[in-house]
Amino acid sequence: DTEVTQTPKHLVMGMTNKKSLKCEQHMGHRAMYWYKQKAKKPPELMFVYSYEKLSINESVPSRFSPECPNSSLLNLHLHALQPEDSALYLCASSRQGSSGRRATGELFFGEGSRLTVL
Amino acid sequence: KQEVTQIPAALSVPEGENLVLNCSFTDSAIYNLQWFRQDPGKGLTSLLLIQSSQREQTSGRLNASLDKSSGRSTLYIAASQPGDSATYLCAVINNAGNMLTFGGGTRLMVKP
Repeated sequence: DTEVTQTPKHLVMGMTNKKSLKCEQHMGHRAMYWYKQKAKKPPELMFVYSYEKLSINESVPSRFSPECPNSSLLNLHLHALQPEDSALYLCASSRQGSSGRRATGELFFGEGSRLTVL
Repeated sequence: KQEVTQIPAALSVPEGENLVLNCSFTDSAIYNLQWFRQDPGKGLTSLLLIQSSQREQTSGRLNASLDKSSGRSTLYIAASQPGDSATYLCAVINNAGNMLTFGGGTRLMVKP
């Protein structure tokens, strides 16, 4: 199983709503990522979780709040978003190294959640 | 700061043609390099991972090469098919192995 599953596939929300994006993987990966992708642009890193702890936050506004409740799940909580936050939000995972061996860093991506903020 | 550039930004070829997509990066101290395919509105599909100690990787009609010293990678697609039409992204993995820097992508159209 090399799948990263994201829900919902599509989300439309108003600027005052609170919603969440969910990501799940069962590959035993201990690093999980959120990326944001605007149309015809490459993905931009938002957050990295390593062993369920936030290790990288790329200066993302606080209206985006990540959460990693366990090693298989990653959430992105959304509150008071702006129309310019409309984008494809991609989740990814990768294996962490163990016993002195470095992992390859290869990322596996989900299909994304298409977010529209009205 | 690592910068990754892909040339050309868009490419249109007739079916059956062999083609090369280029990727260059400014900091040669990379860990690995990964090529992805993305269909419109979809997620990224990993095509090939080249570790920094390797020179190339092959998967079916795809062959990716890596020249760390010159900061370049190429993705060679043999006998292109209309189903190959997609955006191809290269990404370099930093030495900590926890961050990818993406190029801008090459939008490929293979015409029947």
